[in-house]
Amino acid sequence: DIQMTQSPSSLSASVGDRVTITCRASQTISRNLNWYQHKPGKAPKLLIYAASSLQSGVPSRFSGSGSGTDFTLTISSLQPEDFATYYCQQSYSMPLFTFGPGTKVDIK
Amino acid sequence: EVQLVESGGGLVQPGGSLRLSCAASGFNFRNSEMNWVRQAPGKGLEWLSFISGSGSAMYYADSVKGRFTISRDNAKNSLFLHMNSLSAEDTAIYYCVRDETFYSDSSAYLVFDYWGQGALVTVSS
Repeated sequence: DIQMTQSPSSLSASVGDRVTITCRASQTISRNLNWYQHKPGKAPKLLIYAASSLQSGVPSRFSGSGSGTDFTLTISSLQPEDFATYYCQQSYSMPLFTFGPGTKVDIK
Repeated sequence: EVQLVESGGGLVQPGGSLRLSCAASGFNFRNSEMNWVRQAPGKGLEWLSFISGSGSAMYYADSVKGRFTISRDNAKNSLFLHMNSLSAEDTAIYYCVRDETFYSDSSAYLVFDYWGQGALVTVSS
């Protein structure tokens, strides 16, 4: 089974900060990596697919990079509405999908 | 507009059973692969189960294999999750999720593009 890890597990940041979250797969997953944003009481929202493709309607301050086993989600300038938990997900071994443990971004 | 609406959650005793339903609308349900994902209190997202559009292929996470059964009724645009032998560890919000194929640089990638709002299942005596 493919295992996903994320770092950090949480971070505190201020509005306007550049934020980077890392995701690592236990084996190569090519570019089969998605990122989701999840806020309490809401449904998770797709941000990035195929490691670096921005989902329609998602602000351009979000970007993704990486391939193989190491991936990054970057928020170039953190906005108040970006405080949430972010999850990576591999779809390489579909339909056995795996999420990372999540990174909680809160206000410093 | 795509809508996924879960129902059937509630309080159930340990060892009990429950059936979740998901009513789908706004898209061609019979052609869509569907999944269940859950989030336990204070925990992250956990993929549980997948079913193909025809219902002929089903897959499960090890944590629920043998206890949960995914099914669908394409005539009624409905997805189900039958849960047996429930324990406190199954307490969670359960989401109905559509997966779709997106394309990037001519390659196909599966994503979870639409999610329901979730149904709360509490397992407690």
